[in-house]
Amino acid sequence: NAGVTQTPKFQVLKTGQSMTLQCAQDMNHEYMSWYRQDPGMGLRLIHYSVGAGITDQGEVPNGYNVSRSTTEDFPLRLLSAAPSQTSVYFCASSYSGKNTEAFFGQGTRLTVV
Amino acid sequence: GENVEQHPSTLSVQEGDSAVIKCTYSDSASNYFPWYKQELGKRPQLIIDIRSNVGEKKDQRIAVTLNKTAKHFSLHITETQPEDSAVYFCAGTYNDYKLSFGAGTTVTVRA
Repeated sequence: NAGVTQTPKFQVLKTGQSMTLQCAQDMNHEYMSWYRQDPGMGLRLIHYSVGAGITDQGEVPNGYNVSRSTTEDFPLRLLSAAPSQTSVYFCASSYSGKNTEAFFGQGTRLTVV
Repeated sequence: GENVEQHPSTLSVQEGDSAVIKCTYSDSASNYFPWYKQELGKRPQLIIDIRSNVGEKKDQRIAVTLNKTAKHFSLHITETQPEDSAVYFCAGTYNDYKLSFGAGTTVTVRA
């Protein structure tokens, strides 16, 4: 049982490049979400999904797209990377979303130069 | 949405002493308040949570208290040990699904 798996762990992008951060969970969780973590700002919600085919925006969605074609996978796409997107990204999943523990992936450290 | 404020941002305690972290929230409809611990370079992990129908919850050396009237909740760590050194985040839910996190408290336990 791997839990929540994110790839890659580290990535360097040039300004304007696009890429996809992968997230997969094997716990059959309905709810998945993406956060970014910046120093002194905690974790901020980018996008979330309450089930396959359903996604919605969080606090800081601009510059990011998501899709949820299966229960297991929730990729995050950066459309045109900017230095302001330099951050550590965490994917999380939980059984139902409401008042249940969120399990986090190991994180992706992204640097945009 | 929910606004969660967390204090202090850094906390240094002597091994064996207690540590207290306080959080306030803005949305009176929030009803779930988890605490996460993040060790350096690792992922956040849940250490304790409390729901709005409960005023206090304990798990060994960790306790959380909730005051819904004042809209604040606190984490208490007793008999601190070096392995308690980490960043701690409080959070509150809003709109049922969204977790809003505080900015974090870096706790250092001095030997």
